Amino acid sequence: AQSVSQHNHHVILSEAASLELGCNYSYGGTVNLFWYVQYPGQHLQLLLKYFSGDPLVKGIKGFEAEFIKSKFSFNLRKPSVQWSDTAEYFCAVSGGSYIPTFGRGTSLIVHP
Amino acid sequence: EAGVTQFPSHSVIEKGQTVTLRCDPISGHDNLYWYRRVMGKEIKFLLHFVKESKQDESGMPNNRFLAERTGGTYSTLKVQPAELEDSGVYFCASSQSRGSGYTFGSGTRLTVV
Repeated sequence: AQSVSQHNHHVILSEAASLELGCNYSYGGTVNLFWYVQYPGQHLQLLLKYFSGDPLVKGIKGFEAEFIKSKFSFNLRKPSVQWSDTAEYFCAVSGGSYIPTFGRGTSLIVHP
Repeated sequence: EAGVTQFPSHSVIEKGQTVTLRCDPISGHDNLYWYRRVMGKEIKFLLHFVKESKQDESGMPNNRFLAERTGGTYSTLKVQPAELEDSGVYFCASSQSRGSGYTFGSGTRLTVV
């Protein structure tokens, strides 16, 4: 069975600070990896995804994530956060069943 | 294209009552998924439809939950009778094929009092 662990449950940053949210998964086979974001009052939106190829994936709004297979990790990064990045972020992995398994989410608050 | 639509957006019901949630996937998406998030916890998979067939319902918590997708279009999730622990946000997602990007609806926040 696959599982996802997000290490930071709550992160508070000031604008312009750099962001890195940790995500580790457990699954023995080929995986697809996702980061989703839920802004206050809105639905879950796909930030970026990794299926194959270049392990450094660029998504929307300046986010990127790096798949490190040896570490079973898919950390999300952004060099300079904005107040509008305040949201909840979810890492997800899908393996053989193609059904995504989600982590608990990380609540990010960015102070202006 | 229209996104995944869920309604109602909020529902408050008393313990023991019945509630039916609806999800309209993106047109042409054969795969439809139901998820639930209890406050502060992870988003948990409930079940997966391919067209009108239940492909995987391993996440359904118990037999008080019944999901249908007649005709392979919209889906309903009925909770009968509702219990306090059923409170949470119920998400629906659809995808064109398994493993492709999933588009989520805005969710239904269910509160059982």
